[in-house]
Amino acid sequence: GENVEQHPSTLSVQEGDSAVIKCTYSDSASNYFPWYKQELGKGPQLIIDIRSNVGEKKDQRIAVTLNKTAKHFSLHITETQPEDSAVYFCAAFFRDDKIIFGKGTRLHILP
Amino acid sequence: DSGVTQTPKHLITATGQRVTLRCSPRSGDLSVYWYQQSLDQGLQFLIQYYNGEERAKGNILERFSAQQFPDLHSELNLSSLELGDSALYFCASSPRSGRGAREQFFGPGTRLTVL
Repeated sequence: GENVEQHPSTLSVQEGDSAVIKCTYSDSASNYFPWYKQELGKGPQLIIDIRSNVGEKKDQRIAVTLNKTAKHFSLHITETQPEDSAVYFCAAFFRDDKIIFGKGTRLHILP
Repeated sequence: DSGVTQTPKHLITATGQRVTLRCSPRSGDLSVYWYQQSLDQGLQFLIQYYNGEERAKGNILERFSAQQFPDLHSELNLSSLELGDSALYFCASSPRSGRGAREQFFGPGTRLTVL
């Protein structure tokens, strides 16, 4: 069935180090993969997205990579800062126009 | 501020009751999505409307229904409420619909507590 799996559920990294969050999806026809950041008490906010016709996209300290063959995509945050602490969600659109989110990764940036 | 508004911010009610959550999308956005977020289930897609018509359905219970009005605002109706319906309910809007859609802009959410 339609599914998105996200790992890890919790991630702690030292300030300045890199963080990587990985997601896998079930439907090879999926072609749009957004990443959202949710801070406490707020709604999710799109931080980066990628479509299936590209393998990588970068926006300053944030990058997303997509491996269509393996059906997985990853979020990379470099030079992490305290304000990067939040919950991050990956998502994938499926053929019936449904969007399914991963269960989220709580990222802690340690001083 | 995403430009999406949701009312009310908080709602406390009793089991068996019915409530209505309201969402106003960003100006010009035709698509509205509803999500339920609970601690153990993450973000669950409920339903999507595009320009007044239902476009996609997720894991929405039969006790729940939604609609999008001609002015594009949307309402989510939850009836015969159970304790397990306590959650954050988010609305998001997007200029278009489906997998070709650009980013979704989320509202601040409505926290529903069922006692």
